Amino acid sequence: GAVVSQHPSWVICKSGTSVKIECRSLDFQATTMFWYRQFPKQSLMLMATSNEGSKATYEQGVEKDKFLINHASLTLSTLTVTSAHPEDSSFYICSASRTGEVPLHFGNGTRLTVT
Amino acid sequence: QKEVEQDPGPLSVPEGAIVSLNCTYSNSAFQYFMWYRQYSRKGPELLMYTYSSGNKEDGRFTAQVDKSSKYISLFIRDSQPSDSATYLCAMKGGNEKLTFGTGTRLTIIP
Repeated sequence: GAVVSQHPSWVICKSGTSVKIECRSLDFQATTMFWYRQFPKQSLMLMATSNEGSKATYEQGVEKDKFLINHASLTLSTLTVTSAHPEDSSFYICSASRTGEVPLHFGNGTRLTVT
Repeated sequence: QKEVEQDPGPLSVPEGAIVSLNCTYSNSAFQYFMWYRQYSRKGPELLMYTYSSGNKEDGRFTAQVDKSSKYISLFIRDSQPSDSATYLCAMKGGNEKLTFGTGTRLTIIP
């Protein structure tokens, strides 16, 4: 079946540095990718929606200059957390779908710890 | 009021029991209803996907949607220890955005 690969699965970085997370659709072309954030024992909160070749649409309260999203191809989207702070520590998850399709496929998430 | 309400649990049941998980919602525009299973430190995995009201069965899993009551359920028959996970309901309307419940943490006791 369709698979979404997310990398890295975990990362530790120092405060003030930037971290890039990759999300790849391995066997289908993903016109839309979604980025979520999940705190412990809480649900997934949508951060932004990205469509290939266009700017991402951010949810209210999500700083677009801090969470940079690039969706340069139909198989790859990246999320860069810039100038990371300890409060950015969280579990980040991407999902990918074709146009009009229910977002069925999720990556395995990236656990970010900012020290 | 949240758009989607789900009891976070935790819920513990003995192996072999029938498990009932539920969500309520307030947005009448939701048309697609999903249940995801999430193991610790993993991404969600789609279990069931239903459009509009009705029942859908897949092996030991049955999903029910009652749009008149804005209530959805997931039943797990003959529960197994491997079913222990967090179960998330999710819904969407005409656009592609999913709205998730908080998830219910389920433990099946051998």
